[in-house]
Formats: sequence, C-alpha cells, structure tokens
Amino acid sequence: DTGVSQNPRHKITKRGQNVTFRCDPISEHNRLYWYRQTLGQGPEFLTYFQNEAQLEKSRLLSDRFSAERPKGSFSTLEIQRTEQGDSAMYLCASSRGVEQYFGPGTRLTVT
Amino acid sequence: GIQVEQSPPDLILQEGANSTLRCNFSDSVNNLQWFHQNPWGQLINLFYIPSGTKQNGRLSATTVATERYSLLYISSSQTTDSGVYFCAVSDFSGGGADGLTFGKGTHLIIQP
Repeated sequence: DTGVSQNPRHKITKRGQNVTFRCDPISEHNRLYWYRQTLGQGPEFLTYFQNEAQLEKSRLLSDRFSAERPKGSFSTLEIQRTEQGDSAMYLCASSRGVEQYFGPGTRLTVT
Repeated sequence: GIQVEQSPPDLILQEGANSTLRCNFSDSVNNLQWFHQNPWGQLINLFYIPSGTKQNGRLSATTVATERYSLLYISSSQTTDSGVYFCAVSDFSGGGADGLTFGKGTHLIIQP
C-alpha cells in the first residue's frame, strides 16, 4: 500500500507565473484534501473532494486558487498569478473513512 | 469554527525523559488525530483518537471528549522523537469527513 505522493516536491517560480501541483492519493481512498502550511504554523485546510465532487471550496484563499479531481483519482491544485505570499508548503491528504493520511508536500517559493 | 490550542509550544528534554503534550479543543469532534512532523515536513500519523486511550510502543494518547482535551504521552524519549507534534480535529459540521483544523504544534527537542 503506497502512500500519498505529490509532485513536484519543490517549485521555484517568479511572481506572476502560474503553478500546478499534483497529488496522487492512496489507492481506494475516495476523499482527497488540500492544505497549506506556512512557516511556524499548523496546516490550514483549503478544499476537499469526495470522488470527483469538490464538496468544500470556500476555504480556498482567493480566486487565484483552484483545484480539480477530474476522474476521482489524482488531483491538481493550481495557483494563478503567484504572489510572494503564496510561498508555503502545500500538502495533500487522502482518506477512505475519517482518518487522513498526508503526502510529503510541495514546497513553493515565489521570487 | 472550532479552535485548537496546544501546549507547551516548546519543550526541550534529555534523552530518556518522559513528556506529556496537551491539546484543548473548543467543540465536540468526530475526528482527532496526532501527527509528528519530521524535519523534512512529512506528517506522520501517530493516533486517530476521537475518544478513549490508545498505545503504540513508547507513545500513548488519551482523549476525554466530554472535557474537550487530548494528551499525548512520550516515554523514554529518543533523539529521533524530535520534531513538531500536531493535534488536529474536525467537528460534525462537515457530515463526517471535513478538513482538519490544526493547532500550532509543540516543538520537541530531545538532546542526547
């Protein structure tokens, strides 16, 4: 049973560019979550999917953030027109029941 | 929304010591998890414990749901226990599977 995987692990981009991150959940996990973690803080919930349906997106930080899970398997998180304040670790988690399991994260640096 | 407070924020111990980390939460929960975040940022599941007591080796946890707190016990600490410990909860508003609300964590340093 492989864990949650995320790609890329690190991303450096210039302000104003668009970035996309991918998350592959544990197989047979129908729920998938995205979080953001800034330095010295706990992760902050952004959005979640049950299968391909996005059931919560009001916590996305702005309209520059969007997420998809087109076939109910992997998911992508896109940030458009990146700003320096978007620099953070972006974490993905999956679950079949209530307990969530996290991936290694994608560390984004916006210069 | 639900609030989570962890204490202490920082803890420095010698190898072999025991420690107790506390998590207080502001409302009834359907999920409470303890995680250890290693230096590379990976969140490692320690316990899923919305109520009751569990033990896994040198670690154990107790959640008293009626009093809205959870405790994580680490016995005979090792240097590899160093890192940040997070408590995270979700309440019943999301139909049973909602995003977790995390505390700010306890930063544990175990010195040899």
